[in-house]
Amino acid sequence: EVQLVESGGGLVQPGGSLRLSCAASGFTVSSNYMSWVRQAPGKGLEWVSVIYSGGSTYYADSVKGRFTISRDNAKNTLYLQMNSLRAEDTAVYYCAGLGSYNSAEYFQHWGQGTLVTVSS
Amino acid sequence: DIQMTQSPSSVSASVGDTVTITCRASQGISSWLAWYQQKPGKAPKLLIYAASSLQSGVPSRFSGSGSGTDFTLTISSLQPEDFATYYCQQASSLPYTFGQGTKLEIK
Repeated sequence: EVQLVESGGGLVQPGGSLRLSCAASGFTVSSNYMSWVRQAPGKGLEWVSVIYSGGSTYYADSVKGRFTISRDNAKNTLYLQMNSLRAEDTAVYYCAGLGSYNSAEYFQHWGQGTLVTVSS
Repeated sequence: DIQMTQSPSSVSASVGDTVTITCRASQGISSWLAWYQQKPGKAPKLLIYAASSLQSGVPSRFSGSGSGTDFTLTISSLQPEDFATYYCQQASSLPYTFGQGTKLEIK
């Protein structure tokens, strides 16, 4: 059974930093595409970042230059380093493992989410 | 970026009804589309991928169709556990984008 468990969320002041972690079991982080998706309170889903199995990384324009996605293969864990946080970054952050079907990738496995609140 | 537009934003239906939700992409995405179900306080769940392929474990009353720019999710014989919010998502190109969601409510 695949399990993705996020941690690291919390309350942070504007301009501050936070690092989210996503510990995976039953799913190899280094062999799959892994992503972060967020959801602001009462709003829809927004893709944040992806790291490919080969190590390439991509970001939404809204977080580019402020957020960094990475992984620790030995710990089978995905990370999201968030710097220069803004009020509009307040959201539940989901870790997702992508499955590949017919040359496209979909968010197949999801964690339970961790809440990040940016407020003074 | 590819914009995804769902309609309706909300729909009311009764147990046993059939409901159809539509999703339109701002440009052609072939069949690279997924549908997700999300219940309050829970993570989204993949229902349909590649526009019409049913994810393992998902009941057969869920079905998807379409290609290019227009897609539909149909839920037949609604069950109480189907009342949730549904999102479409394009997997054609980065950035991945989602529709704004369709809330399915009990009538």
